[in-house]
Amino acid sequence: KQEVTQIPAALSVPEGENLVLNCSFTDSAIYNLQWFRQDPGKGLTSLLLIQSSQREQTSGRLNASLDKSSGRSTLYIAASQPGDSATYLCAVRPTGGFKTIFGAGTRLFVKA
Amino acid sequence: GAVVSQHPSRVICKSGTSVKIECRSLDFQATTMFWYRQFPKQSLMLMATSNEGSKATYEQGVEKDKFLINHASLTLSTLTVTSAHPEDSSFYICSARVGQGIHEQYFGPGTRLTVT
Repeated sequence: KQEVTQIPAALSVPEGENLVLNCSFTDSAIYNLQWFRQDPGKGLTSLLLIQSSQREQTSGRLNASLDKSSGRSTLYIAASQPGDSATYLCAVRPTGGFKTIFGAGTRLFVKA
Repeated sequence: GAVVSQHPSRVICKSGTSVKIECRSLDFQATTMFWYRQFPKQSLMLMATSNEGSKATYEQGVEKDKFLINHASLTLSTLTVTSAHPEDSSFYICSARVGQGIHEQYFGPGTRLTVT
């Protein structure tokens, strides 16, 4: 059974700091891995989608890596801003299934 | 990009009444739609999966007679919470996908249900 774990559960950093969010999954048989952002009381915003054949994806100040063999992904946020404060969710699509499995998320707070 | 909408965004209802939540794919045809539930400070839990024109597949522990799902067209799925109770208060999120395999899922903005 696929399980997705995110560490840390919460993180508070000063503005301008570079930071890394971690995601691990137990079964390497995945189609893709996706990082989402969720603001309080809001839905999900897709940040980056990495297919199983890819190693990383970049969008602006965000970089996501995928190491399928070790069951790990990281989301790197450069030069963090207060507007980055949100919950970041990691989700995997297992191969042979259609259910997306979500991690519990990392709550990020960037202090001005 | 693909857009999924939900209506209403917030709803408050009295215990014992039924509430319908709509999920629409605005610029694509969704062969599969998913309904998730999220409790405060917790992750999303899949409730059910529906394919257009067929019955929904419910996850273990989800009461199908309480959470009625209809996927009548390729752009619309509805979730009806019947005889709502305060413990049904939650954030409900739908998502939609074209086809199988590697196709990306697109998520709606969510509906906050409060049962008084």
